[in-house]
Amino acid sequence: SQELEQSPQSLIVQEGKNLTINCTSSKTLYGLYWYKQKYGEGLIFLMMLQKGGEEKSHEKITAKLDEKKQQSSLHITASQPSHAGIYLCGAASGGSNYKLTFGKGTLLTVNP
Amino acid sequence: DAGITQSPRHKVTETGTPVTLRCHQTENHRYMYWYRQDPGHGLRLIHYSYGVKDTDKGEVSDGYSVSRSKTEDFLLTLESATSSQTSVYFCATRRDNQPQHFGDGTRLSIL
Repeated sequence: SQELEQSPQSLIVQEGKNLTINCTSSKTLYGLYWYKQKYGEGLIFLMMLQKGGEEKSHEKITAKLDEKKQQSSLHITASQPSHAGIYLCGAASGGSNYKLTFGKGTLLTVNP
Repeated sequence: DAGITQSPRHKVTETGTPVTLRCHQTENHRYMYWYRQDPGHGLRLIHYSYGVKDTDKGEVSDGYSVSRSKTEDFLLTLESATSSQTSVYFCATRRDNQPQHFGDGTRLSIL
């Protein structure tokens, strides 16, 4: 079965700093999804990457997919307290994009 | 907001009792999912549905059953709850070739 490893597990940054979260798959990536979760709430969809080399941005968050490395990265520029939360990556399981396997998440704290 | 409502939002019950969680959607999405989220394990798929009366098992389906008699409702049942099923349960829905969208979760405690 596919496994996704996220690094780091937790991260504390000062407001205004840049940061990167990585998601590495044990198997070929057919599609990679990034979600954000605030404590006690559901997951909010951020971005979906489907092709090797694909890069997408939304406001100050950029996600990239490196198919050869079986890895995706999420980069936040000039972090703000509103970026704090748990970031989870999810990957299509076994080539079927209707089922996802998730990483365990990265807890981001942004200190003002 | 994908129009997903989970009920109840919180529940405390005793070991051995049956429990049913409901997921209701208003978007007419084909796919529906039940996950549980636990510290150290992350989010794990319990069961999913790809249409009315069409369901399949996920990664951690033992001790759970599901039913989908209408497009908008997906029920998760714990026939005889155990303490190991204490968790936060999330429902998600999806239409073809689109990402999954999640409900706000149900916090279930089994004493």
